[in-house]
Amino acid sequence: EVQLVESGGGLVQPGGSLRVSCAASGFTFSTYWMSWVRQAPGKGLEWVANIKEDGSEKYYVDSVKGRFTISRDNAKNSLYLQMDGLRAEDTGIYYCASRGWTSSSFYFDYWGQGTLVTVSS
Amino acid sequence: DIQMTQSPSSLSASVGDRVTITCRASQSIYNYLNWYQQKPGKAPKLLIYAASSLQSGVPSRFSGSGSGTDFTLTISSLHPEDFATYYCQQSYSGPPDTFGQGTKLEIK
Repeated sequence: EVQLVESGGGLVQPGGSLRVSCAASGFTFSTYWMSWVRQAPGKGLEWVANIKEDGSEKYYVDSVKGRFTISRDNAKNSLYLQMDGLRAEDTGIYYCASRGWTSSSFYFDYWGQGTLVTVSS
Repeated sequence: DIQMTQSPSSLSASVGDRVTITCRASQSIYNYLNWYQQKPGKAPKLLIYAASSLQSGVPSRFSGSGSGTDFTLTISSLHPEDFATYYCQQSYSGPPDTFGQGTKLEIK
């Protein structure tokens, strides 16, 4: 059974830092692109970042470029998101998701339960 | 960036009804369109990928169609557990992958 379990969320002051983690099991983690997707309270879904299987390519939504860093440790089957310079608008639930693919689409096929990040003074 | 627009934003229906949700892309995305279901307090769940392919384990009452810029998600006969929020997502031109704003399906 595929499992993605996020941790590390919490309350942080504006300008502060936080690292959230995602522990993966039940699939060959090292062969999947992975992503972070977030959801502000009462709002829709927003893709945040992608990382290639070997970590050699990383992509970010414009609003977090230069502040967030996605990384992974394939030996530990773990995905990370280092968040620096946090702003109130970064508040929300952060989901890790595996990025499945076929010849005609890419999609988020498995999701964790999410971890809540609150940026407030 | 490609914009995704869902309609309606909310919908009231009854158990047993046939329901259709529409998603429109701001430019052609061929069939790079996925649908997700999210229930309150839960993570999203993949229903349909590549516009019309049913994810493993998803009931056959869910179906997707469309290509280019216009897509639909149809639930042929609503079950009580189908009341949720539904999102479309394009993966043709990315990053960024972009989601629609969501359609909340409520019980009438």
